[in-house]
Amino acid sequence: KAGVTQTPRYLIKTRGQQVTLSCSPISGHRSVSWYQQTPGQGLQFLFEYFSETQRNKGNFPGRFSGRQFSNSRSEMNVSTLELGDSALYLCASSPYGGRSDTQYFGPGTRLTVL
Amino acid sequence: AQSVTQLGSHVSVSEGALVLLRCNYSSSVPPYLFWYVQYPNQGLQLLLKYTSAATLVKGINGFEAEFKKSETSFHLTKPSAHMSDAAEYFCAVSDNYGGSQGNLIFGKGTKLSVKP
Repeated sequence: KAGVTQTPRYLIKTRGQQVTLSCSPISGHRSVSWYQQTPGQGLQFLFEYFSETQRNKGNFPGRFSGRQFSNSRSEMNVSTLELGDSALYLCASSPYGGRSDTQYFGPGTRLTVL
Repeated sequence: AQSVTQLGSHVSVSEGALVLLRCNYSSSVPPYLFWYVQYPNQGLQLLLKYTSAATLVKGINGFEAEFKKSETSFHLTKPSAHMSDAAEYFCAVSDNYGGSQGNLIFGKGTKLSVKP
């Protein structure tokens, strides 16, 4: 089975711009979660989607949003970029998003905001 | 609320020595616990997970972890370190919402260095 894929792998934007990141889960997985990884804050949960519905959201401002399509692919969007948004954004998929499910991570998208 | 504490942001061992990475958790419900490894410029790869079956969990690449409820610990060990084990290791606990779903709450990570 192909793993979780994320595009693009690297992105450079300037403050004030917006960005869209894409994630394709493992075939058959219906839950997609997004995490932000920074040196200062570590790995933090952004949100989780299941069957096109956001089921849970972390403590991030409304500039961070996402969606999921009927084929389980997911996108996240960050509007009005700030310098502090520079991070590695990781997508993870699992069959149902259950507490005991293994989450399989993609390689991440490295976002740099200048 | 669930949380994870990893003691030691950096651990250095010699090749062939024992690897011990510490993880303590806090959970208001029976925990599900995970260890992930991250190599530079890569995503996270699951090493092993505890889901309330056996307390001693064996994972990939010779790693294992023991769940100790009385100590709220889930330390990761490997009897003999290899140069290829140099990476960052993350302990995580599954959060609890909606009864059955849960995102992961991660510790700050431990960077493991292996000296020849």
